[in-house]
Amino acid sequence: GQNIDQPTEMTATEGAIVQINCTYQTSGFNGLFWYQQHAGEAPTFLSYNVLDGLEEKGRFSSFLSRSKGYSYLLLKELQMKDSASYLCALMDSNYQLIWGAGTKLIIKP
Amino acid sequence: NAGVTQTPKFRVLKTGQSMTLLCAQDMNHEYMYWYRQDPGMGLRLIHYSVGEGTTAKGEVPDGYNVSRLKKQNFLLGLESAAPSQTSVYFCASSHGEEAEKLFFGSGTQLSVL
Repeated sequence: GQNIDQPTEMTATEGAIVQINCTYQTSGFNGLFWYQQHAGEAPTFLSYNVLDGLEEKGRFSSFLSRSKGYSYLLLKELQMKDSASYLCALMDSNYQLIWGAGTKLIIKP
Repeated sequence: NAGVTQTPKFRVLKTGQSMTLLCAQDMNHEYMYWYRQDPGMGLRLIHYSVGEGTTAKGEVPDGYNVSRLKKQNFLLGLESAAPSQTSVYFCASSHGEEAEKLFFGSGTQLSVL
């Protein structure tokens, strides 16, 4: 079967860097995704990794290691508006998205 | 550009009542989805559609029905609501060639008493 694990909650300081990890187990893999969800709002797409390595997009970067079943989302120069939940999801062999429960990121001044 | 629009935003039902959630997208997307989101759990796919007139079951389809009579609309029906269906429901859509990038509606908070 498939399984995705990510920390329930993390706290970081404004201006700092934070890394949110996601580990997964799956029999088929077609990509790893990160979405951002502010409280009471809809998830919004952040990044997509299908090959190993680092994808950088402004202050946000996402890394994937398929052999280790591991991804992380790196947020630099944290701003208060980055306080949100970050959802990790993988696309399985049937091209269906399997979602993690999300990591709630709290940014303190 | 409205994107994905869901109605209603909030609804309270009594056990056994029925209702329909409406989802409309104006991006000409082929794929549409209905998810539910519960505390401490990941988004779970209820039903999805890969095109007008087609629907398929997702991970948790029991107790729900869907229809996609027009490409831009995807309806989710609850025939006889149960307390276990209390949840936040999200509609989403995606383009066929970028199916991994979902665009979500703002959600419907449903409470079944």
